[in-house]
Amino acid sequence: DAKTTQPPSMDCAEGRAANLPCNHSTISGNEYVYWYRQIHSQGPQYIIHGLKNNETNEMASLIITEDRKSSTLILPHATLRDTAVYYCIVGYKLSFGAGTTVTVRA
Amino acid sequence: GAGVSQTPSNKVTEKGKYVELRCDPISGHTALYWYRQSLGQGPEFLIYFQGTGAADDSGLPNDRFFAVRPEGSVSTLKIQRTERGDSAVYLCASSSWDRANYGYTFGSGTRLTVV
Repeated sequence: DAKTTQPPSMDCAEGRAANLPCNHSTISGNEYVYWYRQIHSQGPQYIIHGLKNNETNEMASLIITEDRKSSTLILPHATLRDTAVYYCIVGYKLSFGAGTTVTVRA
Repeated sequence: GAGVSQTPSNKVTEKGKYVELRCDPISGHTALYWYRQSLGQGPEFLIYFQGTGAADDSGLPNDRFFAVRPEGSVSTLKIQRTERGDSAVYLCASSSWDRANYGYTFGSGTRLTVV
């Protein structure tokens, strides 16, 4: 499975969009990009996933570059409840890295 | 069931003892995964089942760890001769066969403490 690189932390103002980058330069052609988040002491929560096209659901949007070497998760209107560790993962094994700790501030 | 259920939620055991951790996946999900998460780190892949068979067990740290899924539904992670370093949260996840359209659903985990 390909490895991913994410910034270790990010602050975001409540009500603003949060853009979380992820690099996955060694991704294979058939590997999906998954985003999960984990709030303290809970299991990871699925957010969104995609292969080539941009995706949107009720939680977030996923923008994947044309060469698929990077992607961005967009939380359109961050709330305090969005404070969590966000993981970008590729491949079926879901090899989690350290993720990005997102802190939403009032 | 409505979600992935893991039991027990907490387990304290003495060093050297044997423990079993149970995972009930979402009904109909053919794929099942076990992960281990140490404090302050992301989940670490252990093993992946497709149906009854272990499709990939490359993440199991050593031969003290073993997992089964005899009927393709419930899975049990077994740890022999537990060590203090085995203390972690053990997470289970399941998914439909069609990973293209469905994500993976995680349980809340079992917190194992070896004293």
